[in-house]
This record gives sequence, structure tokens and C-alpha cells, in this order.
Amino acid sequence: QKEVEQDPGPLSVPEGAIVSLNCTYSNSAFQYFMWYRQYSRKGPELLMYTYSSGNKEDGRFTAQVDKSSKYISLFIRDSQPSDSATYLCAMRAGNMLTFGGGTRLMVKP
Amino acid sequence: KAGVTQTPRYLIKTRGQQVTLSCSPISGHRSVSWYQQTPGQGLQFLFEYFSETQRNKGNFPGRFSGRQFSNSRSEMNVSTLELGDSALYLCASSGGTASSYNSPLHFGNGTRLTVT
Repeated sequence: QKEVEQDPGPLSVPEGAIVSLNCTYSNSAFQYFMWYRQYSRKGPELLMYTYSSGNKEDGRFTAQVDKSSKYISLFIRDSQPSDSATYLCAMRAGNMLTFGGGTRLMVKP
Repeated sequence: KAGVTQTPRYLIKTRGQQVTLSCSPISGHRSVSWYQQTPGQGLQFLFEYFSETQRNKGNFPGRFSGRQFSNSRSEMNVSTLELGDSALYLCASSGGTASSYNSPLHFGNGTRLTVT
């Protein structure tokens, strides 16, 4: 079993939908949680960075961390075709940073 | 602020050759990490440098090496290339301190290496 599990998708939604992307993990030592967006032929771009449990909002993006369930989510409101990309979750415990395998999202006009 | 810059963007090499990739971090960032990204394995950690010292190392063979200069710029070298080394090599910098890891990574757009 991988330390961080992420459904690879693809997840296909219509424009304007609310998107929910999720990761589960097994290491209770993870304290910092990140979401990255990666377009084809580009490097991952940091979207959200959170510490411990709770919600964090930035524009159309909301990151949610539930440490008791070892579950993190990224919500995208009013999704746009330009949101079509691969979304990677990442988690850190000390000097160890672990990435999920990524979820490919397609937003159709 | 300029982002992380990696050069070259694309490289084609043959088996047995060696290659050097370059990375310029975000100004003020002293930590530079290198990752290999492939469709099958995802992002795999190679190594991390902080103030010219290798601070962490992933599980890659000794053919993969790196270094960091006093201006925080970093290079990665792969010797005796194998077909399986074909991948996107990503560099990331962070603004963490010597004793903490509480800053996120900021990635460059990578170097696409193809080994034939």
C-alpha cells in the first residue's frame, strides 16, 4: 500500500461544476499538506499550502484537511476548461515529502 | 520575482553518455531539490541541497549526482545513461531554513531527457 493514495482519474466534468479532488494517507506524522497543478509539458505549480487540520480558501480553490480521517481534499468552484490539468497532492513529515500519483481533470466546455 | 529556471528544456542523448542539467532557484531560496517524473512512477525524489551541502538523498544509483554552488544554483549529472533514465527532471526550490522544512516547494518546468 502506498503512503499517499490518489485516484488517477481521468475525472471529466462540465464547465461550471464543483470539482472535488481527494487524497488519503497512512502516515499520521504528515503535518504540511500541498496541492499542485501540472499542465502538460510544464512543472507542478503550487496551488494551496496548509498546516494541520481545517479549511483554507483562495479564490475558487478550497483545501480541506481532516487529520483524524487521514484525508485531504481540494475543491474547485465554477470549474473552467483552463482548470484541465493533473492535480498532485503532497504531504510533508520532517524532511520527507511524499507525492500522490496525481488526478487528471478534464473540464469540458 | 522570477521563478525556478531549468536549462535546457529538452535533451536527447544516447546510451552510455552523460548529461548535466542546470537549475536556478527563486532568488533568496537556499534549498534546491531534484525529482524525476515518469508516467509509471510519478514524482521520485533524487536529492536535496541546502547551502551547498546535500541534505537528503533518495533511492537512486550513484550515476545520479548533484551539486549546489554558493549562489544556490544547482546542477544534476547523470553518467552512463540508460534507456530507463528517459524522464522529466524537475528542480524545485524552497525558502526553508537550515533546521526546518516548513516552506513549500516551487518547481521549474523541467528538462525533458530522452535517451536513445
